Amino acid sequence: AQSVTQLDSQVPVFEEAPVELRCNYSSSVSVYLFWYVQYPNQGLQLLLKYLSGSTLVKGINGFEAEFNKSQTSFHLRKPSVHISDTAEYFCAQITTSGTYKYIFGTGTRLKVLA
Amino acid sequence: DTGVSQDPRHKITKRGQNVTFRCDPISEHNRLYWYRQTLGQGPEFLTYFQNEAQLEKSRLLSDRFSAERPKGSFSTLEIQRTEQGDSAMYLCASSLARGWEASTGELFFGEGSRLTVL
Repeated sequence: AQSVTQLDSQVPVFEEAPVELRCNYSSSVSVYLFWYVQYPNQGLQLLLKYLSGSTLVKGINGFEAEFNKSQTSFHLRKPSVHISDTAEYFCAQITTSGTYKYIFGTGTRLKVLA
Repeated sequence: DTGVSQDPRHKITKRGQNVTFRCDPISEHNRLYWYRQTLGQGPEFLTYFQNEAQLEKSRLLSDRFSAERPKGSFSTLEIQRTEQGDSAMYLCASSLARGWEASTGELFFGEGSRLTVL
């Protein structure tokens, strides 16, 4: 079964420092990957997605992610974080077995410190 | 476009009672998903619909859970004879399926319905 692994459950980082949130996906013929963000008491919002083409994907709020097929990774990065980036981040993959389920990782809680 | 709305936002019930959650997707979206999220975990797939047809149901979903989407618009998720282990946030999401991009469309989530079973 396909699965998405987020190795870090929590990542504390100081404001204006860079951050990387790690995600590893299940290898498949076709790979479609997403990063979602969940702010406190809000629904999940799409940050960015990889469908095909350039392996470097840019999203909202200055985030970007790089698709690495050889390492089956899709790490999320931001060069300089703000207090407002404190949230839960979820990596997700679409299954390609004939149905269109989105499989989510367990999430990484990013806490930006002043 | 008012987004995906879920009702109620919070529900507290006693063990053994039945509960029903409602989801109103974005109006033109033909796919609707239900997920369950517990503390410290990512959303766990429960079931999804293409219009009114329920295309897949998670094997983790016991027969106490049932979902419907009559007329392909709003959806309901009913849990019968609730157990304390059912306490979770129930998330609804919708997407627009259109051609090849259908399988890769963005999911739009509601804010969830939090269930507490005492």
